[in-house]
Amino acid sequence: GAVVSQHPSRVICKSGTSVKIECRSLDFQATTMFWYRQFPKQSLMLMATSNEGSKATYEQGVEKDKFLINHASLTLSTLTVTSAHPEDSSFYICSARPGTATPLHFGNGTRLTVT
Amino acid sequence: AQSVAQPEDQVNVAEGNPLTVKCTYSVSGNPYLFWYVQYPNRGLQFLLKYITGDNLVKGSYGFEAEFNKSQTSFHLKKPSALVSDSALYFCAVSDMEYGNKLVFGAGTILRVKS
Repeated sequence: GAVVSQHPSRVICKSGTSVKIECRSLDFQATTMFWYRQFPKQSLMLMATSNEGSKATYEQGVEKDKFLINHASLTLSTLTVTSAHPEDSSFYICSARPGTATPLHFGNGTRLTVT
Repeated sequence: AQSVAQPEDQVNVAEGNPLTVKCTYSVSGNPYLFWYVQYPNRGLQFLLKYITGDNLVKGSYGFEAEFNKSQTSFHLKKPSALVSDSALYFCAVSDMEYGNKLVFGAGTILRVKS
């Protein structure tokens, strides 16, 4: 089945540094990928839609300069949390759709802790 | 705008008993409904979807869900619960068939005890 891979699974960084999270579609091409954020014991919130070869589309309230998204190829999207602060600590999950009429497949997520 | 409500934070059930995880939705057009399961520190796994057709939808791992338009509900069910079913379950809705934007409910923790 379709697999979406995320790396790293866990990352701890110091306040003020930047962290890059990778999302790969392993056995299919994805012109669009989606980045979600999940707070403890809460639901997932869509942050942005990553579009291959063009700018990402951000949801209302999401700072595009803070959460940089690059979709450089049909199998890779990256989310960079710039100048991270403790309030950015969260669980970040990417997703992609293997085909136009298929449900979203999710990566295993990245637990970001900013100290 | 669409929304999803999962009224129960947690559902407890004994192994072998039937389980139900509730979900109600609100959407302006036709609803496209999904159930996902999440294990600790993992991403979401797709269980089943309702797009159109039969109101009873069968999915992975023996789960099924019943679409009820008049009650705007899409409850997840399983005839006989397993301890391994213990996880966090999310209901989601989209206003477009396989739309890009899924709106998730808050999630329901299912605990199955042996």
